[in-house]
Amino acid sequence: EAGVAQSPRYKIIEKRQSVAFWCNPISGHATLYWYQQILGQGPKLLIQFQNNGVVDDSQLPKDRFSAERLKGVDSTLKIQPAKLEDSAVYLCASSFGTRVGDEQFFGPGTRLTVL
Amino acid sequence: ELKVEQNPLFLSMQEGKNYTIYCNYSTTSDRLYWYRQDPGKSLESLFVLLSNGAVKQEGRLMASLDTKARLSTLHITAAVHDLSATYFCAVVPRDSNYQLIWGAGTKLIIKP
Repeated sequence: EAGVAQSPRYKIIEKRQSVAFWCNPISGHATLYWYQQILGQGPKLLIQFQNNGVVDDSQLPKDRFSAERLKGVDSTLKIQPAKLEDSAVYLCASSFGTRVGDEQFFGPGTRLTVL
Repeated sequence: ELKVEQNPLFLSMQEGKNYTIYCNYSTTSDRLYWYRQDPGKSLESLFVLLSNGAVKQEGRLMASLDTKARLSTLHITAAVHDLSATYFCAVVPRDSNYQLIWGAGTKLIIKP
């Protein structure tokens, strides 16, 4: 079974620029997550989708971050405008079910550097 | 406040030695995950522990869960270099909307 796909793998931008990340979850997985992982820390949940609806976006900085999951499959995460502190790895994960705590499968991540 | 604390945060050890990583959490939970992350790579699920007293083993790694003490351990037996990685525990709080609360990770370096 194919895993979670993410692109790009690396991105370098200057502050105040915009950037977008793409995620394709494992086929048939209902729930999709975006995490931010700063170097030396555990992942921090930004947003969770169930099918194409948002379940939790309480930690998403909505003044600059946005995300969508069209047709309940692929998802994009956008940052506009980027700040230096947004430098991190952005991980996408998916889970088959919709229960709290279902096992999550992670993609390879996108490493963002903001200069 | 929901907290997950891992101990130690950094561990350097010799091949062939045994060691234990600890994961303490502040909330009631019946489900805990251990993940492994290699440098520059994503997170790989190692174990899911679902009940008090649960023990799982895979090769040289063994994980256990004590829900009464709110403690999980990841024990490494006769460490080998290939086990060098960062290990995270993540807890599913009971009666909460939170999905996973993550520890900060334990960076493990095993020297040949």
